[in-house]
Parts: sequence; C-alpha cells; structure tokens
Amino acid sequence: EAEVAQSPRYKITEKSQAVAFWCDPISGHATLYWYRQILGQGPELLVQFQDESVVDDSQLPKDRFSAERLKGVDSTLKIQPAELGDSAMYLCASSFGDRGGTEAFFGQGTRLTVV
Amino acid sequence: AQSVAQPEDQVNVAEGNPLTVKCTYSVSGNPYLFWYVQYPNRGLQFLLKYITGDNLVKGSYGFEAEFNKSQTSFHLKKPSALVSDSALYFCAYRGSARQLTFGSGTQLTVLP
Repeated sequence: EAEVAQSPRYKITEKSQAVAFWCDPISGHATLYWYRQILGQGPELLVQFQDESVVDDSQLPKDRFSAERLKGVDSTLKIQPAELGDSAMYLCASSFGDRGGTEAFFGQGTRLTVV
Repeated sequence: AQSVAQPEDQVNVAEGNPLTVKCTYSVSGNPYLFWYVQYPNRGLQFLLKYITGDNLVKGSYGFEAEFNKSQTSFHLKKPSALVSDSALYFCAYRGSARQLTFGSGTQLTVLP
C-alpha cells in the first residue's frame, strides 16, 4: 500500500540551529501539505502545494520557515533558526487533488524537540 | 468564518458499548467533511468522508458517521467499542479555499 514517507521520525536540535524535514508523497498526488501539530491539538496547515506551486502559505512564519517542492514531487520544510516554541509534530500529507471530497493521506510525522 | 467544532475534549466509553464522537460544522455551500484517527506518535489515518448523498457514511474499522444538515452535525459512531479504538479523533472539512482544516480533536478512551 502506498504511503507518504517522512524523515527523520525524531529530531532534537538546539535553539538557533537550522533543521530540515523531508517528505515524499504518494506517487501521482499533486497536492502536498505541511501541518504543525502541538501535542493534544489539531493539525494546523503551514503550507499547501499544488504540484510545485504554493497554494497557501498564509500561516507559515516566513521569517524562519521555508518550504519547497522544486520538481513537484518530494518536499523539504526548513526552520532557521529554530526556537523553543517550534517543538511540535510536523506532519506531511498528500492528496490526488485539492477539490471537494478528496481525502489526504498522512505520513508518520517528524517529532521535533528544540532544547 | 468556516469551521468545525468538536465540543468534547474527552469521551470515555465501556468496551462493547456504542460510542459517539461529536462534530458540528459551520461551512458555506456543500460541506465536504472527514474523520481521521491518530494513535500516539503517529500520523493521522483517514476513516471516512461525506461528499453528498446518503446521510449515513460507512468507513474503516466498523466506524460510521451521520450527516445531519438541520443540526449541522457529522457525528462519528460505532455500535460496539473496542479497547483498541482508544485514540485521538479529528473531524475536518475542505472548504472553498481548498484547504483541509481540522477540529481540535477528541480523546476517546475505551475502558475494558
């Protein structure tokens, strides 16, 4: 069964350091999402891609966060510099499209701890 | 503003009893509604969705959800709960902005 791949699963970094997460969506899925989830809360959308184009990055803290999907396939989310408040689960998801009743499929997530 | 709300942070139910996890929506136009489940330190798993048509939607692992337009609700249900159903459940919607937006989540605990 096709899955969304994310790496690493866990990351511990010191504040002010740079950190990067990688996501490989399900083959053929044009839409890719990055969510941030604080423990016990619902995921919040950081950025949404349609192929290589950003559809929505209104909630992405652009002074420190960046995301790219250069060839419209895999994607990287970067934080530089990391802050203590960035500690969270970072979830990648993909879907065939972004219309109507199209469901998204999630990866296992990257648990980030900033110390 | 469009949204979904999960009014209960925690639901406890005895094994074998029916379970309900509540979700209400405030979405303009045709609502596209989803339920996801999350186990500890894992990603979200898709359970079911409502697009249009039958108000009772059947999904994975014996779960179903009832769409009620007059009450603007989309409650998740299962006739007989299992201990292994204990997890965090999220209601979500896809609105006109094409985003997939999640509720705050409900922790379900099934007691043996």
